[in-house]
Amino acid sequence: KQEVTQIPAALSVPEGENLVLNCSFTDSAIYNLQWFRQDPGKGLTSLLLIQSSQREQTSGRLNASLDKSSGRSTLYIAASQPGDSATYLCAVSSGYALNFGKGTSLLVTP
Amino acid sequence: GAGVSQSPSNKVTEKGKDVELRCDPISGHTALYWYRQSLGQGLEFLIYFQGNSAPDKSGLPSDRFSAERTGGSVSTLTIQRTQQEDSAVYLCASSSQPGTGAGNTIYFGEGSWLTVV
Repeated sequence: KQEVTQIPAALSVPEGENLVLNCSFTDSAIYNLQWFRQDPGKGLTSLLLIQSSQREQTSGRLNASLDKSSGRSTLYIAASQPGDSATYLCAVSSGYALNFGKGTSLLVTP
Repeated sequence: GAGVSQSPSNKVTEKGKDVELRCDPISGHTALYWYRQSLGQGLEFLIYFQGNSAPDKSGLPSDRFSAERTGGSVSTLTIQRTQQEDSAVYLCASSSQPGTGAGNTIYFGEGSWLTVV
């Protein structure tokens, strides 16, 4: 059974810092990995999707990397802003269902 | 519609009552998913519908849970004889192609927050 772990569970940084969120998974036989953002009381918004054949994806200040063989992904956020405060979820797909980690709760303070 | 729509957004029910949660996926999306998010837990897969194929119900936690999808569009998740441990956010999602394996973006609704008292 695929297990997805996210470290750290919570993170607080001052505005402007670069930061890295970590995700690991136990079964490397995946189709893709996605990073989502969840704001309090809201649904999930897809940030980046990396297919198994890819090494990284970039969108604005976000960069996600994937090392399938070692079962790891990182989400890099550059020049963090208070508006980045949210929970970030990592999910891997080995079929049609996604397996989610429990998320990293990020707080960016002004 | 513009996004995945879920109703009700909030529901408080008494233990033992039945509840129905509704999901209206993005128009044209053939794949529909239900997930559950309990406090402090990750998202848990419940059920998957793809077109007219038989749904994958492997994630449903008990026989008190059922779901249907009429006309390949709107879906209803029904929880019978609710228990306190059913309290959670129930999230619906849809995608334009079967599954997520093809690198297909999945879109989530804002969820139905269920509290069983």
